[in-house]
Amino acid sequence: DAKTTQPPSMDCAEGRAANLPCNHSTISGNEYVYWYRQIHSQGPQYIIHGLKNNETNEMASLIITEDRKSSTLILPHATLRDTAVYYCIVRSSGSARQLTFGSGTQLTVLP
Amino acid sequence: DTAVSQTPKYLVTQMGNDKSIKCEQNLGHDTMYWYKQDSKKFLKIMFSYNNKELIINETVPNRFSPKSPDKAHLNLHINSLELGDSAVYFCASSHHGTGLEQYFGPGTRLTVT
Repeated sequence: DAKTTQPPSMDCAEGRAANLPCNHSTISGNEYVYWYRQIHSQGPQYIIHGLKNNETNEMASLIITEDRKSSTLILPHATLRDTAVYYCIVRSSGSARQLTFGSGTQLTVLP
Repeated sequence: DTAVSQTPKYLVTQMGNDKSIKCEQNLGHDTMYWYKQDSKKFLKIMFSYNNKELIINETVPNRFSPKSPDKAHLNLHINSLELGDSAVYFCASSHHGTGLEQYFGPGTRLTVT
């Protein structure tokens, strides 16, 4: 699996967009980019995933660069409840289905 | 309404005891998982299981064993508990075909004294 690199922490003002970067320079053609988050004392929560194209759902948008070596998760209007650790995971769907979590980015949304 | 549930939420026990953590999902998924999150907050896969295949992380001691009475349940049995087993254990489930959009339970905090 491709390794991912994320900043350990970020702050964002409430109501502003939170842009969380992830580098995955060794990603291969059949590997997807997945984002999960873990709010304190809760189980991880799936956010979004993508392969090549940008994706958007009710929670967030995922922007993947054309060379697929990096991506950005965008929370368009961050709220205090979005404070969490965000994990970027790269994995091929055809392999063993375990998720490998790194250390993630601690996002703190400030009032 | 709870998609993935675990019991108990908290478990305090002494070294050497045997304990079980239960997990149930009502999403109709066919694959279930157990993860361990240690005190440093690293989340590591322990097992993934469906009715055809058990995949065990090679770092998991054989004191840990998953048992699945049916597709909706995957329980975790732990024998001869050790201090280092203290952690939060998360159950998750997914469809076999995708596997990576997983739904997690609320976790069980195990404390071994």
